Amino acid sequence: KNEVEQSPQNLTAQEGEFITINCSYSVGISALHWLQQHPGGGIVSLFMLSSGKKKHGRLIATINIQEKHSSLHITASHPRDSAVYICAANAGGTSYGKLTFGQGTILTVHP
Amino acid sequence: DTAVSQTPKYLVTQMGNDKSIKCEQNLGHDTMYWYKQDSKKFLKIMFSYNNKELIINETVPNRFSPKSPDKAHLNLHINSLELGDSAVYFCASSRDRVTEAFFGQGTRLTVV
Repeated sequence: KNEVEQSPQNLTAQEGEFITINCSYSVGISALHWLQQHPGGGIVSLFMLSSGKKKHGRLIATINIQEKHSSLHITASHPRDSAVYICAANAGGTSYGKLTFGQGTILTVHP
Repeated sequence: DTAVSQTPKYLVTQMGNDKSIKCEQNLGHDTMYWYKQDSKKFLKIMFSYNNKELIINETVPNRFSPKSPDKAHLNLHINSLELGDSAVYFCASSRDRVTEAFFGQGTRLTVV
Protein backbone atom coordinates (compact mmCIF):
# COMPACT_ATOMS: atom_id res chain seq x y z
CA LYS A 1 0.00 0.00 0.00
CA ASN A 2 1.36 3.41 -0.99
CA GLU A 3 2.00 5.95 1.71
CA VAL A 4 -0.05 8.38 -0.38
CA GLU A 5 -3.27 7.13 -1.95
CA GLN A 6 -5.47 9.02 -4.38
CA SER A 7 -8.99 8.35 -5.51
CA PRO A 8 -10.40 7.98 -7.99
CA GLN A 9 -7.64 6.86 -10.35
CA ASN A 10 -9.70 7.85 -13.38
CA LEU A 11 -12.43 10.48 -13.52
CA THR A 12 -14.58 11.51 -16.45
CA ALA A 13 -16.84 14.52 -16.24
CA GLN A 14 -19.00 16.73 -18.40
CA GLU A 15 -18.09 20.36 -18.78
CA GLY A 16 -19.50 22.40 -15.92
CA GLU A 17 -19.53 19.62 -13.35
CA PHE A 18 -18.05 19.95 -9.87
CA ILE A 19 -15.08 17.63 -9.42
CA THR A 20 -13.47 16.24 -6.29
CA ILE A 21 -10.20 14.31 -6.10
CA ASN A 22 -9.21 12.79 -2.78
CA CYS A 23 -5.83 12.12 -1.23
CA SER A 24 -5.07 10.16 1.93
CA TYR A 25 -1.64 9.80 3.42
CA SER A 26 -0.14 7.70 6.18
CA VAL A 27 3.13 9.57 6.71
CA GLY A 28 3.83 12.57 8.89
CA ILE A 29 3.95 15.67 6.77
CA SER A 30 5.07 19.26 6.87
CA ALA A 31 2.87 20.10 3.87
CA LEU A 32 0.71 18.56 1.17
CA HIS A 33 1.15 19.51 -2.49
CA TRP A 34 -1.25 19.29 -5.39
CA LEU A 35 0.33 19.12 -8.83
CA GLN A 36 -1.07 19.14 -12.34
CA GLN A 37 0.52 17.29 -15.24
CA HIS A 38 -0.79 18.08 -18.69
CA PRO A 39 -0.69 15.66 -21.62
CA GLY A 40 2.43 17.45 -22.85
CA GLY A 41 4.16 16.18 -19.74
CA GLY A 42 4.99 19.37 -17.83
CA ILE A 43 4.25 19.50 -14.10
CA VAL A 44 2.82 22.58 -12.45
CA SER A 45 2.39 23.13 -8.73
CA LEU A 46 -1.19 24.08 -7.93
CA PHE A 47 -1.21 24.28 -4.16
CA MET A 48 0.91 23.69 -1.13
CA LEU A 49 -0.97 23.58 2.12
CA SER A 50 -0.39 22.52 5.69
CA SER A 51 -3.78 23.41 7.15
CA GLY A 52 -7.24 24.60 6.22
CA LYS A 53 -8.16 25.62 2.73
CA LYS A 54 -6.73 27.45 -0.25
CA LYS A 55 -8.48 28.78 -3.36
CA HIS A 56 -7.12 29.80 -6.72
CA GLY A 57 -9.66 30.62 -9.37
CA ARG A 58 -11.90 27.59 -9.85
CA LEU A 59 -9.61 25.34 -7.83
CA ILE A 60 -9.97 24.73 -4.11
CA ALA A 61 -7.74 22.55 -1.94
CA THR A 62 -8.52 21.49 1.60
CA ILE A 63 -6.63 19.48 4.16
CA ASN A 64 -7.61 17.79 7.41
CA ILE A 65 -4.42 17.09 9.32
CA GLN A 66 -6.12 14.95 12.00
CA GLU A 67 -7.71 12.69 9.39
CA LYS A 68 -4.63 12.79 7.11
CA HIS A 69 -6.80 13.64 4.16
CA SER A 70 -6.83 16.30 1.48
CA SER A 71 -9.20 17.10 -1.35
CA LEU A 72 -8.86 19.04 -4.57
CA HIS A 73 -12.06 20.52 -5.96
CA ILE A 74 -12.63 22.00 -9.39
CA THR A 75 -15.75 24.08 -9.84
CA ALA A 76 -17.37 24.59 -13.25
CA SER A 77 -14.97 22.14 -14.90
CA HIS A 78 -13.74 22.80 -18.41
CA PRO A 79 -12.09 20.57 -21.03
CA ARG A 80 -8.82 22.44 -20.47
CA ASP A 81 -8.83 21.02 -16.92
CA SER A 82 -8.17 17.59 -18.43
CA ALA A 83 -4.87 16.47 -16.96
CA VAL A 84 -3.35 14.19 -14.36
CA TYR A 85 -3.65 15.55 -10.82
CA ILE A 86 -1.09 14.36 -8.33
CA CYS A 87 -0.94 14.85 -4.60
CA ALA A 88 2.39 14.69 -2.83
CA ALA A 89 3.22 14.61 0.85
CA ASN A 90 6.19 16.66 1.97
CA ALA A 91 7.72 14.62 4.76
CA GLY A 92 8.29 16.11 8.15
CA GLY A 93 10.94 15.25 10.68
CA THR A 94 14.45 14.43 9.51
CA SER A 95 13.24 13.66 5.97
CA TYR A 96 11.61 16.95 5.36
CA GLY A 97 11.82 18.02 1.79
CA LYS A 98 11.17 14.50 0.54
CA LEU A 99 8.02 14.38 -1.59
CA THR A 100 6.08 11.11 -1.63
CA PHE A 101 3.63 11.03 -4.50
CA GLY A 102 0.21 9.53 -5.02
CA GLN A 103 -0.37 7.55 -8.16
CA GLY A 104 -2.24 10.38 -9.85
CA THR A 105 -5.83 10.90 -10.96
CA ILE A 106 -6.49 11.10 -14.68
CA LEU A 107 -9.23 13.67 -15.25
CA THR A 108 -11.02 13.95 -18.58
CA VAL A 109 -13.59 16.69 -19.02
CA HIS A 110 -15.82 16.38 -22.07
CA PRO A 111 -17.43 19.41 -23.74
CA ASP B 1 12.23 33.11 -19.40
CA THR B 2 12.08 29.51 -18.17
CA ALA B 3 12.39 29.14 -14.41
CA VAL B 4 13.67 25.54 -14.35
CA SER B 5 15.16 24.27 -17.58
CA GLN B 6 16.38 20.80 -18.42
CA THR B 7 18.36 19.66 -21.40
CA PRO B 8 17.90 17.64 -23.43
CA LYS B 9 14.15 17.17 -23.62
CA TYR B 10 14.52 13.82 -25.37
CA LEU B 11 17.43 11.41 -25.12
CA VAL B 12 17.68 8.12 -26.97
CA THR B 13 20.75 6.03 -26.31
CA GLN B 14 22.05 2.49 -26.34
CA MET B 15 22.49 0.23 -23.35
CA GLY B 16 25.84 0.60 -21.71
CA ASN B 17 26.35 4.23 -22.67
CA ASP B 18 26.97 7.06 -20.21
CA LYS B 19 24.78 10.15 -20.46
CA SER B 20 24.07 13.38 -18.62
CA ILE B 21 20.98 15.51 -18.14
CA LYS B 22 21.48 19.13 -17.21
CA CYS B 23 19.24 21.25 -15.02
CA GLU B 24 19.40 24.96 -14.30
CA GLN B 25 17.13 27.21 -12.28
CA ASN B 26 17.07 31.01 -12.34
CA LEU B 27 14.80 31.44 -9.32
CA GLY B 28 17.52 31.84 -6.75
CA HIS B 29 16.30 28.73 -4.94
CA ASP B 30 18.46 26.85 -2.45
CA THR B 31 17.03 23.37 -2.97
CA MET B 32 17.01 21.25 -6.12
CA TYR B 33 15.67 17.78 -6.83
CA TRP B 34 15.69 14.97 -9.33
CA TYR B 35 12.55 12.85 -9.75
CA LYS B 36 11.91 9.80 -11.91
CA GLN B 37 8.53 9.13 -13.52
CA ASP B 38 8.08 5.54 -14.64
CA SER B 39 5.97 4.13 -17.44
CA LYS B 40 2.92 4.10 -15.15
CA LYS B 41 3.39 7.83 -14.56
CA PHE B 42 4.40 7.24 -10.94
CA LEU B 43 6.80 9.88 -9.61
CA LYS B 44 9.53 9.09 -7.14
CA ILE B 45 12.23 11.24 -5.67
CA MET B 46 15.81 10.33 -6.49
CA PHE B 47 17.95 13.10 -5.03
CA SER B 48 17.64 16.36 -3.18
CA TYR B 49 20.35 18.99 -2.82
CA ASN B 50 20.32 21.99 -0.53
CA ASN B 51 22.96 24.66 -1.11
CA LYS B 52 25.03 22.18 -3.16
CA GLU B 53 24.88 19.60 -0.36
CA LEU B 54 23.26 16.19 -0.87
CA ILE B 55 20.27 15.87 1.47
CA ILE B 56 18.26 12.96 0.09
CA ASN B 57 19.51 9.92 -1.80
CA GLU B 58 16.66 7.48 -2.22
CA THR B 59 18.22 4.07 -2.81
CA VAL B 60 19.18 4.97 -6.32
CA PRO B 61 21.78 2.72 -8.02
CA ASN B 62 25.24 4.27 -7.80
CA ARG B 63 25.29 4.40 -11.61
CA PHE B 64 23.32 7.60 -11.04
CA SER B 65 25.41 10.47 -9.76
CA PRO B 66 24.09 13.97 -9.23
CA LYS B 67 26.48 16.86 -9.42
CA SER B 68 25.80 20.38 -8.22
CA PRO B 69 28.54 22.80 -9.33
CA ASP B 70 26.59 25.71 -7.84
CA LYS B 71 23.19 26.42 -6.31
CA ALA B 72 21.62 27.08 -9.71
CA HIS B 73 22.62 23.79 -11.31
CA LEU B 74 21.98 20.13 -10.55
CA ASN B 75 23.08 17.74 -13.26
CA LEU B 76 22.39 14.03 -13.40
CA HIS B 77 24.99 11.64 -14.76
CA ILE B 78 24.05 8.08 -15.54
CA ASN B 79 26.69 5.44 -16.24
CA SER B 80 26.23 2.10 -17.96
CA LEU B 81 22.64 2.77 -18.95
CA GLU B 82 20.17 -0.11 -18.68
CA LEU B 83 16.80 -0.69 -20.34
CA GLY B 84 15.08 -0.15 -16.99
CA ASP B 85 16.44 3.38 -16.81
CA SER B 86 13.99 4.42 -19.53
CA ALA B 87 11.69 6.97 -17.92
CA VAL B 88 10.98 10.66 -17.73
CA TYR B 89 13.32 12.49 -15.40
CA PHE B 90 12.18 15.75 -13.81
CA CYS B 91 14.34 18.35 -12.20
CA ALA B 92 12.71 20.73 -9.70
CA SER B 93 13.69 23.49 -7.33
CA SER B 94 12.22 25.17 -4.28
CA ARG B 95 13.21 28.06 -2.06
CA ASP B 96 13.76 25.63 0.78
CA ARG B 97 12.66 22.13 1.75
CA VAL B 98 9.16 23.09 2.80
CA THR B 99 8.06 25.44 0.05
CA GLU B 100 6.43 25.01 -3.34
CA ALA B 101 8.46 23.20 -5.97
CA PHE B 102 8.90 24.38 -9.56
CA PHE B 103 9.44 21.65 -12.13
CA GLY B 104 11.39 21.50 -15.34
CA GLN B 105 9.69 20.21 -18.47
CA GLY B 106 11.16 16.74 -18.08
CA THR B 107 13.67 14.67 -20.04
CA ARG B 108 12.35 11.55 -21.71
CA LEU B 109 15.15 9.00 -21.65
CA THR B 110 14.83 5.94 -23.86
CA VAL B 111 17.44 3.22 -23.60
CA VAL B 112 17.49 0.80 -26.54
